[in-house]
Amino acid sequence: QVQLVESGGGVVHPGRSLRLSCAASGFTFSSYGIHWVRQAPGKGLEWVAFIGFDGSNKYYADSVKGRFTISRDNSKNTLYLQMNSLRAEDSAIYYCARDILSSDGGGSLDHWGQGTLVTVSS
Amino acid sequence: EIVMTQSPATLSVSPGERAILSCRASQSVSSKLAWYRQKPGQAPGLLIYDTSTRATGIPARFSGSGSGTEFTLTISSLQSEDLAVYYCQQYDNWPLTFGPGTKVDIK
Repeated sequence: QVQLVESGGGVVHPGRSLRLSCAASGFTFSSYGIHWVRQAPGKGLEWVAFIGFDGSNKYYADSVKGRFTISRDNSKNTLYLQMNSLRAEDSAIYYCARDILSSDGGGSLDHWGQGTLVTVSS
Repeated sequence: EIVMTQSPATLSVSPGERAILSCRASQSVSSKLAWYRQKPGQAPGLLIYDTSTRATGIPARFSGSGSGTEFTLTISSLQSEDLAVYYCQQYDNWPLTFGPGTKVDIK
């Protein structure tokens, strides 16, 4: 079955960096686009970034553009989110989620991981 | 950016009754609208996509309708396990955007 497992969260000081990972299994990872979505404590869902199946297409929310970088290693079935210049408002649970459409996405998010918590605090 | 709004913010429904949740987009998203359910302490899960198609394993008591800017999620006979927050999301344009959610309480 499709599994997505996030890791790499933790407590980090403002202005520092963190890299999240999302390990995928149970499907042909190299055929699907993947998203990052975050949820601040007690708040709603915020889409963060998307990467297409081969890494050619990437999209970002304005709130993270220029600070976050999404990437993938299809040989390792792993998605990454490099987060630089972190701010308190970046504190959230970060979920990776598969796009329902293969290739370059454009669909809904049909499988989600359980999330990894990032806390940005001094 | 397309802004999604949802109403009501909270809905209290007795078991067996019908629940109707609304979602509105600031501009047309065609039929590219999904609904997600997030149970307490869990990750979100896909309920409905393309406005009205149920995701795998979702029971028939969940149905979606609408087009353009106005959408509805109906739970025909509420079960206790439907206690959750329900989010709509558009995927017609980047950036993808979610509504603020409707919390469904069991009366």
